[in-house]
This record gives sequence, structure tokens and C-alpha cells, in this order.
Amino acid sequence: NAGVMQNPRHLVRRRGQEARLRCSPMKGHSHVYWYRQLPEEGLKFMVYLQKENIIDESGMPKERFSAEFPKEGPSILRIQQVVRGDSAAYFCASSPRGAPGLDTQYFGPGTRLTVL
Amino acid sequence: GENVEQHPSTLSVQEGDSAVIKCTYSDSASNYFPWYKQELGKRPQLIIDIRSNVGEKKDQRIAVTLNKTAKHFSLHITETQPEDSAVYFCAGGGSQGNLIFGKGTKLSVKP
Repeated sequence: NAGVMQNPRHLVRRRGQEARLRCSPMKGHSHVYWYRQLPEEGLKFMVYLQKENIIDESGMPKERFSAEFPKEGPSILRIQQVVRGDSAAYFCASSPRGAPGLDTQYFGPGTRLTVL
Repeated sequence: GENVEQHPSTLSVQEGDSAVIKCTYSDSASNYFPWYKQELGKRPQLIIDIRSNVGEKKDQRIAVTLNKTAKHFSLHITETQPEDSAVYFCAGGGSQGNLIFGKGTKLSVKP
């Protein structure tokens, strides 16, 4: 049973470009969470999605950031017009049920975004 | 909303000694408390979790205790080994919200 998959593992972008981060949940999981981790810091919740629905985006910046989880294919976190402050590790997690505060979340390997 | 505080931020122990990491939470409605281990450059991995209907849970050298009255929970690692060196994160959550993570404890086990 494959775990949570993320790609790319490393992404380098210049200021002003777009970054697209992909996440495929574990088989049988239909709930996806995105977190951002700055160096030497903890995991900050960004957004929680189910298939075709954004359930909670309270942790995601209102501008430049968006997320989707289509009926087919991976979940995508999109960052437009990246700035240096967007440099971080972005982790995706998935769970089998829809109780984010109660359900075990399994993490992917992360995408390390570097903005030059 | 929930707030999770974690202490200490760094912890250094000799191989074979025990290590204890403590977390406090603010939302009395929280009832799920997982612990994750993150090695450098790798993904957070769940090592143990506890729900509010139990006060203690053990898995080999790892144990977690929960005090709902005081709103704190702790991770205990006995007989530490160099491979236990990593950053450990606690988290708290409940039916009304998302998992909130502590800022992490960097554990160093010296051989």
C-alpha cells in the first residue's frame, strides 16, 4: 500500500513565477491536508480538502495561494507570483475519514520550495 | 481555537537515559493527541497517539500520558538510542477543529 506521494520533492522558482505542488493521498483516503513548515519551526495548517471540495482554508493566505482536489488526480497547491518568503517545506497529509482533529494523518515526503 | 505549547525546544540526553517532552493545550474539547517524529529532511511520522478516554499508552520504549484536567500530555522515551535523535512534534485536535501542532523538540541522544 503506497504511502502519501508528493511531487516534485524539490522545486526552485524565481520571484514572480508560479509554483504547483502535487499530492496523491494514500489508497482509500479521500481527505487531504496541506501544511507549511519553515526552517526550525513546526507545521502550520493551511487547507483541508475532500474530493472536489475545500472544507477549511482558514490557514491559507487569501492572496496568491489556492488549492484543489479534483475528482480525478492529485490534490494541487498552487502559489502564484512567488516571493522569497514562500520558501519552505510544504507537506501534504491524508486521512481515511473526515474528522481532521480526530483522525490519524499520514504525511507525504514534502516539497521543498526555494524562491530565488 | 486550540493552542499547543511544547517544551523543551531542545533536549540532549546520554544514550540509555530517558527523555520526556511535555505539551499543554488550551481547548478542553480536544481529545486526540498524536506525536510525530521528524528526522532531518524527512516526513513527520506518527509514533504514538492517545485519545481522551485513556490516560496512558505504551509501545515498547515509547509511552504517552494524558492529564485532561490539567490539559497536558507528555511523551516518554526510555533507554534512548542514537537513532532516536530527531525533532518530535506533539499535536492536539478535536471534532470541532484541525490538528494544531507544537513547535517541536529537537532531541539529541549522545552515544
